[in-house]
Amino acid sequence: DAGITQSPRYKITETGRQVTLMCHQTWSHSYMFWYRQDLGHGLRLIYYSAAADITDKGEVPDGYVVSRSKTENFPLTLESATRSQTSVYFCASRLAGSQYFGPGTRLTVL
Amino acid sequence: TQLLEQSPQFLSIQEGENLTVYCNSSSVFSSLQWYRQEPGEGPVLLVTVVTGGEVKKLKRLTFQFGDARKDSSLHITAAQPGDTGLYLCAGVYNNNDMRFGAGTRLTVKP
Repeated sequence: DAGITQSPRYKITETGRQVTLMCHQTWSHSYMFWYRQDLGHGLRLIYYSAAADITDKGEVPDGYVVSRSKTENFPLTLESATRSQTSVYFCASRLAGSQYFGPGTRLTVL
Repeated sequence: TQLLEQSPQFLSIQEGENLTVYCNSSSVFSSLQWYRQEPGEGPVLLVTVVTGGEVKKLKRLTFQFGDARKDSSLHITAAQPGDTGLYLCAGVYNNNDMRFGAGTRLTVKP
């Protein structure tokens, strides 16, 4: 009954470094999402995927890259981290209109 | 600019009090969802409302969708410390795009 797992849970990195946040689901839901959560902004969609090998931009995609070679995994990569990307990142999957969120990754970019 | 405005942003009450939080938008939604998020965890879906004027009850929580499907309210009766958390509304558009409000942070003191 693992559901959605995210790793790492906490990450500190430096400006300019590449960082990959991992997301894994055990349900085989088709849709998966990446959000960032910042004070005053709520949850904002970064990228989403309707199925393996199908991805699309969300509200705030700049500076992020995603891939989905397998249904169960949806990694998010920050190619060159910036301080403005300090945030809490949530992965989610969706089935029949209900979204299921992972526990989040708290990323700090120094 | 937040498409979904939630009010109040913060609410601190004593155990046993009643409260209402609001979610407003100028957009019409095909459905609206309410989530509750506890510290260090991802949001958890509480309810989905679909029909204008719809009212749903979940124990001491009452959710209402506005007649025009642009707004919603969450009423909690006899709040308990276990109700403490961040309450998020999310509006779903016809194309399945979903946008979240910034949330209402509720603290219920014993």
